[in-house]
This record gives sequence, C-alpha cells and structure tokens, in this order.
Amino acid sequence: SLELTQPPSMSVSPGQTATITCSGDNLGVRYTCWYQQKPGQSPVLVIYQDSKRPSGIPERFSGSNFGDTATLTISGTQAMDEADYYCQAWDTSTEYYVFGTGTKVTVL
Amino acid sequence: EVQLVESGGGLVQPGGSLRLSCAASGFTFSHYWMNWVRQAPGKGLEWVANINQDGGEKYYVDSVKGRFTISRDNAKNSLYLQMNRLRADDTAVYFCARDASMVRGVITHWGQGTLVTVSS
Repeated sequence: SLELTQPPSMSVSPGQTATITCSGDNLGVRYTCWYQQKPGQSPVLVIYQDSKRPSGIPERFSGSNFGDTATLTISGTQAMDEADYYCQAWDTSTEYYVFGTGTKVTVL
Repeated sequence: EVQLVESGGGLVQPGGSLRLSCAASGFTFSHYWMNWVRQAPGKGLEWVANINQDGGEKYYVDSVKGRFTISRDNAKNSLYLQMNRLRADDTAVYFCARDASMVRGVITHWGQGTLVTVSS
C-alpha cells in the first residue's frame, strides 16, 4: 500500500524559501495535496491537485509532483507559516486517503 | 459558511464503545463524500474512514475494519462514527472532514475535532 514519507523537521529564516518533500512509490502519477496545521488548530488545505491553491491561500505557497516526490515550496517564508505540514494522496487501488508523516517547519 | 461540529468524544475503557457525531451546515450535505480523520496526541494525521453521498460506499483503514462503522443521515445533515472494541491506540482527536466538490481525494473543510481517550 502507498506510504508517504516526509522529513520530520526543518528550519528556515524569515524571507527565505522552505522546500518540503513528500516521497512515495510512483507518487507522480497521483494527485497530491498539502495541509498546514498550527498548534491546537485543525488542518487547512494549502495545495491540491499537486499545484493548485485554494481561494485565500497566499501565492507564496506552491507545489509540484514528479516521479516519486511531491514538493511544497514556501517562498518568502513568514513567521505565520510556522506549522506542521502534511502531504496527502488518494490511493485509488484501496480507496484510502494516505497522509504523509508530517514536517514541522520552524521559522527562525 | 461551511461548519462541521463534532461531538460525542470522551473517556472510555478499553473494549468499550463510543459514537461520534458531526453536525454539518452551510452546504448541501448530501452532495459530498465525508471523512473521519484522527490524530493521536503529538502524532500525525491518520485517515480513518469515509462514506459517499448516499451512504452506499464506505471505506476504512485496516486498523479499524470490523470495529468502526461510518454512517450518515442526510435528512439530519449528520455524519456518525460508531466505535466498538476500543483500544488504547484509538486515543486521538477525531476530525469530521468534507471532501472537495467534484474532486475525490481532497479534503477542503475540517471540524474542530473531538477527543477520544481510551484508558482504564
């Protein structure tokens, strides 16, 4: 079954670019989403179908998905972007929604 | 405005049962796939189950198959999760979550969650 692996944590300086990876077998043939979760809050969708931004999500959030790796990029990272980020894909062979292991992004 | 409000969480002994509810408003409930997603304390997100618009299709993560049952009542705009034979590793915040319109595999709206604690 599909498994999605993310780095546990990363740190980025304000104004710099944060790049978060999500690895899974042949992930590039599936659509991938990304969710942001701040402490004590529910997740928020920031990217869907690999690279589309929902209404209200800042342009600094972008995504891509090729081969075995999906990537979330935060350009010009702000302090408010400090959060946990989860990738997610739909495994159509099992109908499961599979979440990645999550990446804690620290802005310092 | 889409609102999803969970209830029914609490403390239950191992082997016990609990029924979670999710009251939906602000959208046409009967038009959407609905999900339950959980998050153990300090851990990541785990999809638990989902159900299609008329309740005829249901899917579960392996760890809850045979113990949990997802259902819905479109007349009441409500989603449910019946949890039986609960185990300590079922302890988590349970989120009610709605799929995107016309797109499977994308969760666009989440409730605030309800905490289930399984402990003696």
